[in-house]
Amino acid sequence: GAGVSQTPSNKVTEKGKYVELRCDPISGHTALYWYRQSLGQGPEFLIYFQGTGAADDSGLPNDRFFAVRPEGSVSTLKIQRTERGDSAVYLCASSSGQYNSPLHFGNGTRLTVT
Amino acid sequence: GQNIDQPTEMTATEGAIVQINCTYQTSGFNGLFWYQQHAGEAPTFLSYNVLDGLEEKGRFSSFLSRSKGYSYLLLKELQMKDSASYLCAVRDNTNAGKSTFGDGTTLTVKP
Repeated sequence: GAGVSQTPSNKVTEKGKYVELRCDPISGHTALYWYRQSLGQGPEFLIYFQGTGAADDSGLPNDRFFAVRPEGSVSTLKIQRTERGDSAVYLCASSSGQYNSPLHFGNGTRLTVT
Repeated sequence: GQNIDQPTEMTATEGAIVQINCTYQTSGFNGLFWYQQHAGEAPTFLSYNVLDGLEEKGRFSSFLSRSKGYSYLLLKELQMKDSASYLCAVRDNTNAGKSTFGDGTTLTVKP
């Protein structure tokens, strides 16, 4: 079946601009996660949804970052007033929502802020 | 919070066995995962442990000691394609809660 799909695969934007990153999870997966990964580091947790609601947004670095999942499927990560430090690969993952269910990752969106 | 430590790099020879260690200090625990990540690709799931002991899955095995906050991933009969980063991740103690990742161990397999 189809895996987790993320668009765009690459995004270059200027400092101060607004960006939206989209994630389409595996069909039927109730849990959806956003991570970001910088070179040489592990994925850093941002936010996790169970259904439509954000169950844990403790990883969002500041109020420029916001994510939604209005219908419990597709999610959008929104970054306002981008900064060069926001440059990273943004990974989306989904799982079936059980305690032992692994994360299934998309191929990520590489965000470059110039 | 969670703190997860792994060696940064390891090198091994094709056909050999390698053990990648992971230690963690966590405020909650609902299982430990190992993922493989090839350069430029997304992480993919390898193994899950929630009880103490060894889980074997083909050439890959993973061990957990909860009392010691310690896990290892054992790779046998190494192949060149096993060259990748190996990520240790601990799941929060909520049901499908966040997983906190270590920075990964980059394994290089040499002929």
